[in-house]
Formats: sequence, structure tokens, C-alpha cells
Amino acid sequence: ILNVEQSPQSLHVQEGDSTNFTCSFPSSNFYALHWYRWETAKSPEALFVMTLNGDEKKKGRISATLNTKEGYSYLYIKGSQPEDSATYLCAFSPGTYKYIFGTGTRLKVLA
Amino acid sequence: GAGVSQTPSNKVTEKGKYVELRCDPISGHTALYWYRQSLGQGPEFLIYFQGTGAADDSGLPNDRFFAVRPEGSVSTLKIQRTERGDSAVYLCASSKVAGEVDTQYFGPGTRLTVL
Repeated sequence: ILNVEQSPQSLHVQEGDSTNFTCSFPSSNFYALHWYRWETAKSPEALFVMTLNGDEKKKGRISATLNTKEGYSYLYIKGSQPEDSATYLCAFSPGTYKYIFGTGTRLKVLA
Repeated sequence: GAGVSQTPSNKVTEKGKYVELRCDPISGHTALYWYRQSLGQGPEFLIYFQGTGAADDSGLPNDRFFAVRPEGSVSTLKIQRTERGDSAVYLCASSKVAGEVDTQYFGPGTRLTVL
């Protein structure tokens, strides 16, 4: 059974703080790793798709890194803002269209 | 442009009843997926359509669940004889093609509550 784990489950940070969280996935049969941001009552928003070991992606204050050999990806948020409050989901693709999701990290940014 | 839409946004039903959940994918997307997110879990794959046909229904939990996409666009997920354990958020996604690197675009989900 392929397992994707995310940590921490939830965290609270102050506005302006930088933060990061982790997605761990099987290092074998890796094809792609996707990150989504999911705000309450909205659609999950695609942030990044990462395919190569050592990949780094950036979108505004959010960036992500990928290590396929050890099976993890980090998501970083620089200078957190209240609007960053959301659940961040990662999804692992083991060579098919079937995403295998982690349980998400719930971020709350306090003003 | 318009994203993936799902209706209803919330559905409350009684145990044993039949429900239909609708998904309108992004125009031009040939691949459509249904996922289910139970409380405390990540979304889990249910079924994948390529065009009108269900290419992979291996994630459907049992034969009470069925999905159609008759014209290759809108899809309906149908649940017969609902049980309390079916309570979850049902997410629909679409992509241009189906592949591990092709981004799946999600709708806001339908929250199903079975009393």
C-alpha cells in the first residue's frame, strides 16, 4: 500500500513568520508530486507539479523542493499572511493518473 | 475561464436513500475523476473517465456506487441505499489528458451527510 504522509497535521503561525511543512512519499515508482492549497468552501488550487529530483518551484512567497531519492518534498511560505490560511495537500503520482493524497497540513496565520 | 463546478454544494439525506452528485468539468478536458475525502483523511480515488467511458473504476467502494458521463462532459456520481459511512466530501477533477504530470483541476466538492 502506497502511503503519503504530511507533517505537521496543523500549525498556527503569526503574520510575517516563515514556515514550512513536509510531504513524505515512497521513493520507488516516482513520477510526479503535486501540491495543492485548499481554502475552506473553495476548490483545491494547484500550486506546483514536480517531477525531477532536486526540483525547486516558486510562486510568489511560496516555494517547494523535491528529493525523490529519500522521498520527501518541502513547502515553504515566506512572510506568512492571513490569506495563506488553508489546508495544503500533496499528491503523489506513481506513474498513473491516480493521485495518492496525504492528509494535509492545516495552516492558520494569525494577524 | 470557468473552473470545475459541482452541485449541490451540500446534500443531507437519510440512510437508505438514493443520491446523485453532479460534476461539470472544464470545457475541453477529456479526463474526469472522482475522489472522496472522509473526515481526517486525504482525498481517495474513486473513478476515472476518459471521454464517455469509465477507464478505471477500481476505487469505487462497492456496487452501491456508480458514475456516468454519457456525453463526455458532465458526470454524475450515483449512490444507492446510502449508509452513514458514505458521509464525506466528494470531489470531482478534470484534466486535458490523463497522466501523472497532468494537473488535475478540482471543483469545490459536494459535502454529503447521511443521517
